[in-house]
Amino acid sequence: DGGITQSPKYLFRKEGQNVTLSCEQNLNHDAMYWYRQDPGQGLRLIYYSQIVNDFQKGDIAEGYSVSREKKESFPLTVTSAQKNPTAFYLCASSISLGGNQPQHFGDGTRLSIL
Amino acid sequence: GDSVTQMEGPVTLSEEAFLTINCTYTATGYPSLFWYVQYPGEGLQLLLKATKADDKGSNKGFEATYRKETTSFHLEKGSVQVSDSAVYFCALGEGEKLVFGKGTKLTVNP
Repeated sequence: DGGITQSPKYLFRKEGQNVTLSCEQNLNHDAMYWYRQDPGQGLRLIYYSQIVNDFQKGDIAEGYSVSREKKESFPLTVTSAQKNPTAFYLCASSISLGGNQPQHFGDGTRLSIL
Repeated sequence: GDSVTQMEGPVTLSEEAFLTINCTYTATGYPSLFWYVQYPGEGLQLLLKATKADDKGSNKGFEATYRKETTSFHLEKGSVQVSDSAVYFCALGEGEKLVFGKGTKLTVNP
């Protein structure tokens, strides 16, 4: 079955540490996205990518970085510059970039601070 | 900028009750509109969509009609089940991105 796989499901970060969240899709989608979800806040866009080797900042990119070296993969690094990283992180993909395209979501990674 | 406003939750209903979750939007153009559902501990799943005025999206007994004159896309279901307990997100798509509402938590009791 095609889908989006996020790993790990739970992740803990120490002070001053960078951590990387994995996102892999086998839907052959061109566009991929990272969102942050906080209680009562809905989803906020961190980064998105239209195609391999191209990505754009979303609304809350500070303290995060991404890469898109393969079509299937869009890892997110939460750097030590992100002072409040505790949240639920969701990766999504769509056939192409565009607001009229439905997005398919992974099951998320919950990041907490030790 | 574009925005979505959903009714505040949580919403608690008894099984077989009628459900309405209100959603209104602000957009400069003609966005596509979506409802997504999130079950506990999971990601979001597309529930239904509408791409132009007067379109009705429907799926699993849920319906929503794109009302341009009232800039609304209210979600309805005639008879909810315990398994419908989840968080529901309204979203609009315009340009390159989706903009999500804050979500409405629904609990259905037996």
